[in-house]
Amino acid sequence: AQSVTQLGSHVSVSEGALVLLRCNYSSSVPPYLFWYVQYPNQGLQLLLKYTTGATLVKGINGFEAEFKKSETSFHLTKPSAHMSDAAEYFCAVSRSSSNTGKLIFGQGTTLQVKP
Amino acid sequence: GAGVSQSPSNKVTEKGKDVELRCDPISGHTALYWYRQRLGQGLEFLIYFQGNSAPDKSGLPSDRFSAERTGESVSTLTIQRTQQEDSAVYLCASSLLAVNTGELFFGEGSRLTVL
Repeated sequence: AQSVTQLGSHVSVSEGALVLLRCNYSSSVPPYLFWYVQYPNQGLQLLLKYTTGATLVKGINGFEAEFKKSETSFHLTKPSAHMSDAAEYFCAVSRSSSNTGKLIFGQGTTLQVKP
Repeated sequence: GAGVSQSPSNKVTEKGKDVELRCDPISGHTALYWYRQRLGQGLEFLIYFQGNSAPDKSGLPSDRFSAERTGESVSTLTIQRTQQEDSAVYLCASSLLAVNTGELFFGEGSRLTVL
């Protein structure tokens, strides 16, 4: 069975500071990994994804994440936080061998950006 | 519209009543998913439709929950004899193909409150 654990339900950073949102996964098969973002009063949207190839993936709005198989992690980072980054972030995993797009989501991390 | 549309956006009902939640996917998207998000928790997979294939109902929490989809268009999630623990945001998502690259497009959700 697959699962996702997001460490920290709430993260607060100052504007301009590094953003680090942690995600660890469990999967018996090679995983596909995703980060989704949910801005206030909006639906979830894909931020970035790892399927195959380069383990460092870049997404929208300056975010990136690195797949580390040895650590079963897929942490999300951004060098400099902006006020507009305040949102809820979800890490998700799917089975690379699956023929559906069913995703298993983590519990989410709310990012607060202080001026 | 261009995105996934869900209705109603908010629904308050009394315990024991039946409710119907509607989802209009993006035109041309063959796959449709329902997820549930309880307060402070991650997204919980409920059901998945792909074309004319039998739906994956593995996430439905009880037989009070059912869903239908007409072809590759509208889907309705029905909850019978609602209970207070059914209170949650119900999210619908669609994708172009039933591939596991995870690019799901989400609606804004239907917030259900059972009194």
